Amino acid sequence: GQQVMQIPQYQHVQEGEDFTTYCNSSTTLSNIQWYKQRPGGHPVFLIQLVKSGEVKKQKRLTFQFGEAKKNSSLHITATQTTDVGTYFCAGPDAGNNRKLIWGLGTSLAVNP
Amino acid sequence: NAGVTQTPKFRILKIGQSMTLQCTQDMNHNYMYWYRQDPGMGLKLIYYSVGAGITDKGEVPNGYNVSRSTTEDFPLRLELAAPSQTSVYFCASSYTHTEAFFGQGTRLTVV
Repeated sequence: GQQVMQIPQYQHVQEGEDFTTYCNSSTTLSNIQWYKQRPGGHPVFLIQLVKSGEVKKQKRLTFQFGEAKKNSSLHITATQTTDVGTYFCAGPDAGNNRKLIWGLGTSLAVNP
Repeated sequence: NAGVTQTPKFRILKIGQSMTLQCTQDMNHNYMYWYRQDPGMGLKLIYYSVGAGITDKGEVPNGYNVSRSTTEDFPLRLELAAPSQTSVYFCASSYTHTEAFFGQGTRLTVV
């Protein structure tokens, strides 16, 4: 079945360092969504990418959608302690777009 | 806007007991979902609904039941609770298969 893989699973960085997480789907996605979950919290929507090769920025966060619409990345420039949490990517199930297929997430720890 | 409201926030159940997790959204979303999240893990879909009167199974439906009598409400019923159902449960809603709004979660322990 369709799978969405995320790497790395964990990442520790020093405050001020950059961070990147990658999301790879086994099938072409109509869109990809990114969510952030703070420790003890609930997932919060960050952004949705729809177009092939799309790049979107939110302050220090840069999101990319691959040309083949099968992979995506989230890059954080100069991490801060407020960036701590788990970042999930998700895309519609190709066989049933009423459901989302979720990656397992990348947990980011930031040392001050 | 309240968004997605889940109750209760915490609950301890004894093995074999039953309970209903409540979920209400005020955004007039058609799509609603129930996920469970085990410690350090991702989200697993339990059940979902694309509108009132329509429900369907997700990845891990065994031991759970749902109903969707109104657009706003999507309760999740646990029958005969088992320790394997200890988890954090999230309800979510969305307009279509796009931006999902999550509730605060219900932390359930079965002992």
